[in-house]
Amino acid sequence: KAGVTQTPRYLIKTRGQQVTLSCSPISGHRSVSWYQQTPGQGLQFLFEYFSETQRNKGNFPGRFSGRQFSNSRSEMNVSTLELGDSALYLCASSLAAVAVPYEQYFGPGTRLTVT
Amino acid sequence: GENVEQHPSTLSVQEGDSAVIKCTYSDSASNYFPWYKQELGKRPQLIIDIRSNVGEKKDQRIAVTLNKTAKHFSLHITETQPEDSAVYFCAASTGNQFYFGTGTSLTVIP
Repeated sequence: KAGVTQTPRYLIKTRGQQVTLSCSPISGHRSVSWYQQTPGQGLQFLFEYFSETQRNKGNFPGRFSGRQFSNSRSEMNVSTLELGDSALYLCASSLAAVAVPYEQYFGPGTRLTVT
Repeated sequence: GENVEQHPSTLSVQEGDSAVIKCTYSDSASNYFPWYKQELGKRPQLIIDIRSNVGEKKDQRIAVTLNKTAKHFSLHITETQPEDSAVYFCAASTGNQFYFGTGTSLTVIP
């Protein structure tokens, strides 16, 4: 099976702009989670989608939003970009089920730089 | 919510020695504990995991132990090799959400 893919791989944006990142999960996986990774902060959970519904949300401001489509592909959007949003954004997919954790597999990430 | 702490943040070992990374968690409902290895510039890769009904799991040179009473779990790497050098993350999950430790940068010195 093909792995998790993310596009674009690199982005450079200016403060105040908005950005949309895309994630295609492994075929058959219905759960997609998004993480922000910065040096020293590890992996910070943004949100998780399952069957087009957001099931969980981390402690990020409302400028960070996401959605999932019927084919399980997911997008996340960041509006009004700030310098501090510069990070590697990773998505991960899993088979998932209610209250039963399954293995998560990560995509290669999108490196976002805000200038 | 769940809080996962990971120690040490950096670890250097001689090639052939063992490495141990420890994590603690706070939510007794957590029942799945994966470990990820992230090499520089690459995605995190799942290397081993353990569920709460198991105390230990091994896969060649890698093992994970879980102590549910004390709420801690550890990664053990034996006979370390230079290619084991990477950042290792632990995580805990109760279901749909994963909580990650802050990572351990392991350097294996040839």
